[in-house]
Amino acid sequence: EAQVTQNPRYLITVTGKKLTVTCSQNMNHEYMSWYRQDPGLGLRQIYYSMNVEVTDKGDVPEGYKVSRKEKRNFPLILESPSPNQTSLYFCASSLSADRVEQYFGPGTRLTVT
Amino acid sequence: AQTVTQSQPEMSVQEAETVTLSCTYDTSESDYYLFWYKQPPSRQMILVIRQEAYKQQNATENRFSVNFQKAAKSFSLKISDSQRGDAAMYFCAYRVYGGATNKLIFGTGTLLAVQP
Repeated sequence: EAQVTQNPRYLITVTGKKLTVTCSQNMNHEYMSWYRQDPGLGLRQIYYSMNVEVTDKGDVPEGYKVSRKEKRNFPLILESPSPNQTSLYFCASSLSADRVEQYFGPGTRLTVT
Repeated sequence: AQTVTQSQPEMSVQEAETVTLSCTYDTSESDYYLFWYKQPPSRQMILVIRQEAYKQQNATENRFSVNFQKAAKSFSLKISDSQRGDAAMYFCAYRVYGGATNKLIFGTGTLLAVQP
């Protein structure tokens, strides 16, 4: 089954404790991205990747890092999480950057205390 | 910069009735895509309908249809014969045509309740 998976689905952590949210797709997609969803703000793009080893900032990249060492994986790294990063995070992928069809992961609910 | 505005934070509809969710956007581009996404309590993002700006005909998917007014930069979603399963958060989204980043710009969402 073609899908985008995220792990963990739920995470509660403390300020400053480094964490990684994984994202993996099994569709051989070149393009992957991360969004965060906050009440009253909708979804906003954090980072995106056009292909392996090619990443760039989205609209709200502060406090986040990403890497794209393999085509299927695009982890989101919070090296020193803060409470304002409490949010719902979505990974999305598409065959390439110019393909309109995007597939979303199931979301990761992160709480930073 | 492109923006998407959903002015109705919450809406309610009776089962079997029709409801319209509003969305306006701002862009200087002439070619772009518009989308409605549904987010049920499971939080999954589900594409409901898509409209290409160069198409004059309004998109339709079963009980879901849009009213696309390009000059007014308006893109409303009509849900006919509402069902309990339609209860969800609905997001309007914009994507520039041929964009290099495939970035979606989302509105703030409309929470739809379906009353029995």
